[in-house]
Amino acid sequence: DSGVTQTPKHLITATGQRVTLRCSPRSGDLSVYWYQQSLDQGLQFLIQYYNGEERAKGNILERFSAQQFPDLHSELNLSSLELGDSALYFCASSPSGGETQYFGPGTRLLVL
Amino acid sequence: DQQVKQNSPSLSVQEGRISILNCDYTNSMFDYFLWYKKYPAEGPTFLISISSIKDKNEDGRFTVFLNKSAKHLSLHIVPSQPGDSAVYFCAARRTSGTYKYIFGTGTRLKVLA
Repeated sequence: DSGVTQTPKHLITATGQRVTLRCSPRSGDLSVYWYQQSLDQGLQFLIQYYNGEERAKGNILERFSAQQFPDLHSELNLSSLELGDSALYFCASSPSGGETQYFGPGTRLLVL
Repeated sequence: DQQVKQNSPSLSVQEGRISILNCDYTNSMFDYFLWYKKYPAEGPTFLISISSIKDKNEDGRFTVFLNKSAKHLSLHIVPSQPGDSAVYFCAARRTSGTYKYIFGTGTRLKVLA
């Protein structure tokens, strides 16, 4: 158990819909990262937050947004969902930034 | 453009033998490299890392080798055990203020008993 929690574990929705994925980092970790893993793909970095502020941005679509709250949990919002958004979404955390990241179990999103 | 490549999608090794997983990168600005292991239905877990100032790092049965001139790193597992069967990802970090990690596509290792 990495100490990073993600909810929900599974999510099935329809095209055009909007969903919110939630992540609670390890106790004391200030940085949260979001990754997308599509079928047979590596983990694609989406975005990083550090203590509530956006720190780095990767290949995140404009339809996706994220935020980190004062209690350090983070949410990833995916809107106008398309079939190609079906993937595993991982959250990771680290104490500040640049160190080893600890991953949550992921949220499996299926867009029908 | 895939900056971190794991060209072998899968590898099978007999229990007790050496497993060698390879990773190539293209960006010479990468200064820190990690290996993660992932079991089905779980998130990746950190295994071992190496800084670009070193060429080898060892932790028990796991050793990572870095060849900067070839932009290549490898993970050696000796001896391999059935519990090592998992997907292994290498990751590299660029030298920048953002500590953004780039992951490879993974290699599925199967250790045969």
